[in-house]
Amino acid sequence: QSALTQPPSVSGSPGQSVTISCTGTSSDVGSYDRVSWYQQPPGTAPRLMIYDVVTRPSGVPDRFSGSKSGNTASLTISGLRAEDEAHYYCSSFTSISTLVFGGGTKLTVL
Amino acid sequence: QVQLVESGGGVVQPGGSLRLSCAASGFTFSNYGMHWVRQAPGKGLEWVAFVRPDGNKKYYADSARGRFAISRSNSKSTLYLQMDSLRDEDTALYYCAKDPFSYGAGSSCEYWGQGTPVTVSS
Repeated sequence: QSALTQPPSVSGSPGQSVTISCTGTSSDVGSYDRVSWYQQPPGTAPRLMIYDVVTRPSGVPDRFSGSKSGNTASLTISGLRAEDEAHYYCSSFTSISTLVFGGGTKLTVL
Repeated sequence: QVQLVESGGGVVQPGGSLRLSCAASGFTFSNYGMHWVRQAPGKGLEWVAFVRPDGNKKYYADSARGRFAISRSNSKSTLYLQMDSLRDEDTALYYCAKDPFSYGAGSSCEYWGQGTPVTVSS
């Protein structure tokens, strides 16, 4: 159950787009369209932003989008805003019916 | 609206035990699987365990298997995590979270509580 691999940090200016990658294996990301993304501002509980690779829960802006290719999933945030600054985590369902998280990516809005 | 309220955290010595609870409201608890996820201070999220809606199937992370036990009371709309043989590395904020799909397999965490802190220290 090794953690999924995310870049430690990404940054972008307001209005720009940023993409955060999440790399797993053929036992998790590569085999299931069950990748989720969570946003966690400092001192708060995580918030689900994307599930099933591409689906946004009600209330999540359409500036947030997800995709997947092979063993790597991605979260793209377009039209970056100051309030998007947070840690972002991916998760994937696995072949042994567990969940595995990525190590997290800190997004800085310049 | 969905509410998840964890309790039961505290300070415990290495080798000790704690039982965490998560009171759920705002949805039909008996229809949804539930997760425990933890976050060590300054670290990322770590999935701990999942229990199916009827409580009959349970899944654990390697770090929890054999020491932790997830359970639920559908009559009380409450999720539990019994933690035994606690270690320093179990120090974390423990969140409960709801699966997004009715009778789902535990593929995501839709709603989260605010967490209950557990500190393992002598």
